[in-house]
Amino acid sequence: AQSVTQLDSQVPVFEEAPVELRCNYSSSVSVYLFWYVQYPNQGLQLLLKYLSGSTLVKGINGFEAEFNKSQTSFHLRKPSVHISDTAEYFCAVSDYNTDKLIFGTGTRLQVFP
Amino acid sequence: NAGVTQTPKFQVLKTGQSMTLQCAQDMNHNSMYWYRQDPGMGLRLIYYSASEGTTDKGEVPNGYNVSRLNKREFSLRLESAAPSQTSVYFCASSERRSSYNSPLHFGNGTRLTVT
Repeated sequence: AQSVTQLDSQVPVFEEAPVELRCNYSSSVSVYLFWYVQYPNQGLQLLLKYLSGSTLVKGINGFEAEFNKSQTSFHLRKPSVHISDTAEYFCAVSDYNTDKLIFGTGTRLQVFP
Repeated sequence: NAGVTQTPKFQVLKTGQSMTLQCAQDMNHNSMYWYRQDPGMGLRLIYYSASEGTTDKGEVPNGYNVSRLNKREFSLRLESAAPSQTSVYFCASSERRSSYNSPLHFGNGTRLTVT
């Protein structure tokens, strides 16, 4: 069965600093990978996705993520964060066979001025 | 374009009371979902409807029922609320059931407290 692990429940960072939010998954088959973002008091929205092809995926708001099959990881990065990036970020995985989408427990990114 | 609309935004129930959470989407999506979000547990799927006229259980269906009223609307009912159902509930929709190239669009959530 597939699963998703987000190792950091909270990541505090100062404005304009780089950030990496970690995501590891386990699955016995090929997967689709997603990052969703949840701003305060809102629903989730898709940030980026990996389906196939290039392992470096670019998303909205300057975020990008790299699929690493050997390390079963899909870490999210941004070279310079802004106060408005303060939100909760969810990694999610779905496999080719079941197409069942599993969410991680979320990482709360707090950007300080 | 409203997207996915959920009502109510907040609700407080006493144990044993019943209520229905409403969800409507205006994107002509085929598939709709109900999730619950709890601290430290991420989002868990309660029920989903792959297309109009069908519903299926998700990961945590116990204590809930759903109705796909038409293509636009998908309601979630708690027949006898329990404190364990205190959570934030999200409705979502997608063009089709497959997650491939069919991202979820979420409503803003219903914060439910059961005392």
